Amino acid sequence: NAGVTQTPEFQVLKTGQSMTLQCAQDMNHEYMSWYRQDPGMGLRLIHYSVGAGITDQGEVPNGYNVSRSTTEDFPLRLLSAAPSQTSVYFCASSRQGAVDTQYFGPGTRLTVL
Amino acid sequence: GESVGLHLPTLSVQEGDNSIINCAYSNSASDYFIWYKQESGKGPQFIIDIRSNMDKRQGQRVTVLLNKTVKHLSLQIAATQPGDSAVYFCAESPGTPLVFGKGTRLSVIA
Repeated sequence: NAGVTQTPEFQVLKTGQSMTLQCAQDMNHEYMSWYRQDPGMGLRLIHYSVGAGITDQGEVPNGYNVSRSTTEDFPLRLLSAAPSQTSVYFCASSRQGAVDTQYFGPGTRLTVL
Repeated sequence: GESVGLHLPTLSVQEGDNSIINCAYSNSASDYFIWYKQESGKGPQFIIDIRSNMDKRQGQRVTVLLNKTVKHLSLQIAATQPGDSAVYFCAESPGTPLVFGKGTRLSVIA
């Protein structure tokens, strides 16, 4: 199993641009989530999904959209990038929801100029 | 709101010594706790977890202790090695998505 994969590894955007961060897992996990990590901070939840077709907001959802059309994929869309969205983004998945071991991807390092 | 926090932001330990990383939580409804290790440039890696019906759980060289009375969680690493150098996060869940603390950096002195 590849586990949780994320693309791209690095990305630079200009303010106002949009893009999609990709996340995929091959463990047949129902639960997937997106976090952002800023220097000196812990991980903050952006959005999460308990299964295909179901998504919900986390702690910091503004400026981001998600969809979950398949069990495997959980893309994160930045609608109009802002410098405040410069961060490292991590996708995670787990078998049995939030109260279970979360497996993290390697992260996407995003810079918004 | 309630949040997860850590007592020590940095910890330096001599190689071979034991390390203890502490974490305070404030949500008494939390019933699941996890410790993660994050090496530079990588995603968090699961170390060990514990549920609220337990006080102690051991893994390979690691032990997690849970004191529900004072809402305290600790991670003990035995015979600390240079490869243990990383940032360690505790996280809690009261049945909702995990809430992470800000992390403690562990530096191992050779």
